[in-house]
Amino acid sequence: NAGVTQTPKFQVLKTGQSMTLQCAQDMNHEYMSWYRQDPGMGLRLIHYSVGAGITDQGEVPNGYNVSRSTTEDFPLRLLSAAPSQTSVYFCASTSRGSGTEAFFGQGTRLTVV
Amino acid sequence: KNEVEQSPQNLTAQEGEFITINCSYSVGISALHWLQQHPGGGIVSLFMLSSGKKKHGRLIATINIQEKHSSLHITASHPRDSAVYICAVPGGGSQGNLIFGKGTKLSVKP
Repeated sequence: NAGVTQTPKFQVLKTGQSMTLQCAQDMNHEYMSWYRQDPGMGLRLIHYSVGAGITDQGEVPNGYNVSRSTTEDFPLRLLSAAPSQTSVYFCASTSRGSGTEAFFGQGTRLTVV
Repeated sequence: KNEVEQSPQNLTAQEGEFITINCSYSVGISALHWLQQHPGGGIVSLFMLSSGKKKHGRLIATINIQEKHSSLHITASHPRDSAVYICAVPGGGSQGNLIFGKGTKLSVKP
């Protein structure tokens, strides 16, 4: 098992550009989430999914879009990048039930100039 | 919404010292996660516990459900333990997401 594979590891964007962060898991987990990590703020939930075809907004969804066409993949799209979206992004997955371990991708360090 | 507080925010120790990091939360939970993040690195799960105590090598995690409090202990600390340690609890409902503390940055000096 590869676990959670997240790409790219680093990215620099210009303001207004769009991009997609990829996230894939091979553990057949139902639940997948995207978080951003900012200094002094901890990790905050952007969007999440409880299964293929089902997504919902988290705490900081503005400027981001997600879809979940398969159980394995949960890409995060930045529609028009802004400097405020400079952050480290993590994808995570877990199986159904609140008492199960969470698995994280390696993180994407995004800089918007 | 659950509020997760960690203390201390920063911790510097000498190699060999016993380390304690604390986590408290505001709403009852079914399980709590302790995570580790090395500088510039990803996040790995250390423990998930719903009661009592768990031990893995030099790391020990305890939880008191009644007091809504958990502790992470590191015995005989080593410079390679230098990392950010993060406490997290389920976000509620059947969503699979987590609510995180802001982390404790540990630096162990040789």
